[in-house]
Amino acid sequence: AQTVTQSQPEMSVQEAETVTLSCTYDTSESNYYLFWYKQPPSRQMILVIRQEAYKQQNATENRFSVNFQKAAKSFSLKISDSQLGDTAMYFCAFEVIIQGAQKLVFGQGTRLTINP
Amino acid sequence: DAGITQSPRHKVTETGTPVTLRCHQTENHRYMYWYRQDPGHGLRLIHYSYGVKDTDKGEVSDGYSVSRSKTEDFLLTLESATSSQTSVYFCAISEVAEQYFGPGTRLTVT
Repeated sequence: AQTVTQSQPEMSVQEAETVTLSCTYDTSESNYYLFWYKQPPSRQMILVIRQEAYKQQNATENRFSVNFQKAAKSFSLKISDSQLGDTAMYFCAFEVIIQGAQKLVFGQGTRLTINP
Repeated sequence: DAGITQSPRHKVTETGTPVTLRCHQTENHRYMYWYRQDPGHGLRLIHYSYGVKDTDKGEVSDGYSVSRSKTEDFLLTLESATSSQTSVYFCAISEVAEQYFGPGTRLTVT
C-alpha cells in the first residue's frame, strides 16, 4: 500500500523568508505523480505544484519549487520569499492510477503560518 | 475555477438518520471522487466513479454508498449516520493528471 508521511505538523516563519516542507512516501510503483496542495482557511483545495516521477528535473512554479529525490522517496516543497497569503495547510499527495481513475493518497498535512 | 458545486455546504443531523450529499459538475469529466477530511489524517478516499453507474470503493468506504446516474452528478449517502462520520466531505473531478476539488461540505452528526 502507498503511504505518505509529513513529519512537520506545524511550521512558522517570517514574511520574506524561505521555508521547506518535508514529505516522504512509500510505493513499489516506478511511474507516478506527486502533488502539493494548499488549503487556506477558506477550505478550498488548491494545487500548488505537480511532479512526474519519470522526470528528473524538479518542478517549479514561481516561488514554489520541489526537491524530488526518487531513490530516497522524498518530495519536499520550498517556498521562497514567503508571503502572508501563503499561510495555509499544505498537503503532500501521491497518485495511484486504477482503471484510469486518479486515486490520491494524502499526507497528514503541515500547518504553515507566515508572520508579518 | 472548475465547475464543481456541493450541496448542502453545512449540515447537522442526528445519529441514525440517512444523509445524502450531492456533487455536481459542469465540466463533463468522466472521473469523480468523494473524500473525507479529518484532523491528523489529511484527505482519505471514500468512493470514486469512472463513469455513469460505474463506481468503486476507496480506503474508507464502510458506512457509505454512492450513486451516479448522470455524468454531472455523484451522490454520497450515509444510510444511518454515526458520530464517527462527522467530517468535512470533498468532491473532486479529474480528466488528465489533475484533480479539481469542490468547496466541501461540513457534516456534523450529533
